[in-house]
Amino acid sequence: AQKVTQAQTEISVVEKEDVTLDCVYETRDTTYYLFWYKQPPSGELVFLIRRNSFDEQNEISGRYSWNFQKSTSSFNFTITASQVVDSAVYFCALNQAGTALIFGKGTTLSVSS
Amino acid sequence: DAGITQSPRYKITETGRQVTLMCHQTWSHSYMFWYRQDLGHGLRLIYYSAAADITDKGEVPDGYVVSRSKTENFPLTLESATRSQTSVYFCASSETSRSYNEQFFGPGTRLTVL
Repeated sequence: AQKVTQAQTEISVVEKEDVTLDCVYETRDTTYYLFWYKQPPSGELVFLIRRNSFDEQNEISGRYSWNFQKSTSSFNFTITASQVVDSAVYFCALNQAGTALIFGKGTTLSVSS
Repeated sequence: DAGITQSPRYKITETGRQVTLMCHQTWSHSYMFWYRQDLGHGLRLIYYSAAADITDKGEVPDGYVVSRSKTENFPLTLESATRSQTSVYFCASSETSRSYNEQFFGPGTRLTVL
C-alpha cells in the first residue's frame, strides 16, 4: 500500500532559524514521483518541487532544499534562514500509479519575527 | 483567464440539501480530480476522471456524485449534504496520467453544512 507520513504536525521557529520538514513514504513500486506543496494562509496549493525515484540528487532552490534518500524512503524539505512568509502548511505527496496524489497529513510551520 | 477555477468559493447549506460544486479548467487537461481537505487528514481523493464520460472512485467517494460531459468541466454533487461533508474541496487537473505530471489545483471551495 502507498502511504505518506509527515510525523511533525506543527513546528514553530523564530525567523532566521533553519527548519527541516520530514516526509517518509511507502510504496512497492520502483518508479514513482514525490512532490511538495505549500498551502499559505490564503488557502491555495502551491507546487514546490517534483522528484522521481531514479534521481537522488539533492535539490536546492534559493533558501529551499530537498534531500531524497531511497534507502530510508524519505524526502525531507529544509528551509534555510526561515522568514515569516514561510508560514504555511506543507504537504508531501506521492504519485505512483499515475492517477492521483497520495498526500501526507501536512506540517504546519509557524515562523515568528 | 487561463487556469483552473472553482465556484462557489464559499457555500453554506443545510443538511439534506443538494449542492453542486463547479470546476472548470482551460488547459484541455485529460485528467481531473476532486479532493477534500480536513484537519488531521490532509487531502483525500473523492473522484477522478480520465476523460469526458470516464470517472472513477477515489478514497472517499460515498455521498458524492460526479459527471464529466465536457473535458473542461468536472462538477461534484452532494446529493444530500451531511455535516460530515463540511470541508474544503479542491479540484485539480493534469495533462496525462503519467505519475510525473504535476497536478494543478484550483483555489478551493469552503463548504459548511449546518
